[in-house]
Amino acid sequence: GQQVMQIPQYQHVQEGEDFTTYCNSSTTLSNIQWYKQRPGGHPVFLIQLVKSGEVKKQKRLTFQFGEAKKNSSLHITATQTTDVGTYFCAPFNYGQNFVFGPGTRLSVLP
Amino acid sequence: KAGVTQTPRYLIKTRGQQVTLSCSPISGHRSVSWYQQTPGQGLQFLFEYFSETQRNKGNFPGRFSGRQFSNSRSEMNVSTLELGDSALYLCASSVDQNQPQHFGDGTRLSIL
Repeated sequence: GQQVMQIPQYQHVQEGEDFTTYCNSSTTLSNIQWYKQRPGGHPVFLIQLVKSGEVKKQKRLTFQFGEAKKNSSLHITATQTTDVGTYFCAPFNYGQNFVFGPGTRLSVLP
Repeated sequence: KAGVTQTPRYLIKTRGQQVTLSCSPISGHRSVSWYQQTPGQGLQFLFEYFSETQRNKGNFPGRFSGRQFSNSRSEMNVSTLELGDSALYLCASSVDQNQPQHFGDGTRLSIL
């Protein structure tokens, strides 16, 4: 079945520093979604990427889908304490079970 | 527009009992998925229902079952509870499987 890796598992940054998490799949994907889960909360949808090489921005967040559609990244510029949480990638392929990556837990020190 | 509603929010059971969790999706959403979340295993997919049919199933034992009603509301049942079933159970609804999923607040199940 599909294997999904996310690195790093944990990241501690000082407020104002940048942060990047990477998601790698063992198979070519139909699309990939990203979610954020705040401590004590539920996952919240951030973005969906569909096209090879696609780049989407949401304010300080930049999402990228690899050319081969097997990997993706989420980059946060100048982190804030409100960015604290776990970021999950969710690679998708038709006919297969929906899979969430193990997540990257981000801590931001003020 | 009301979000995904899960009931109950908290549940305490003992080993061997069974439990039923409920999920009301966002109006118009026909796909409902269930996940188990534990600190050690992350978000594990249980199953997905669409128009009352189970379309996909994760790697969980047969003690875990579900169903979906004609109004898209879904229930999940776990029989013969084990200590390892203690987890946060999340329900998510979407227009279809490949579309963004909207999660409920979850049911936190504790097994004593």
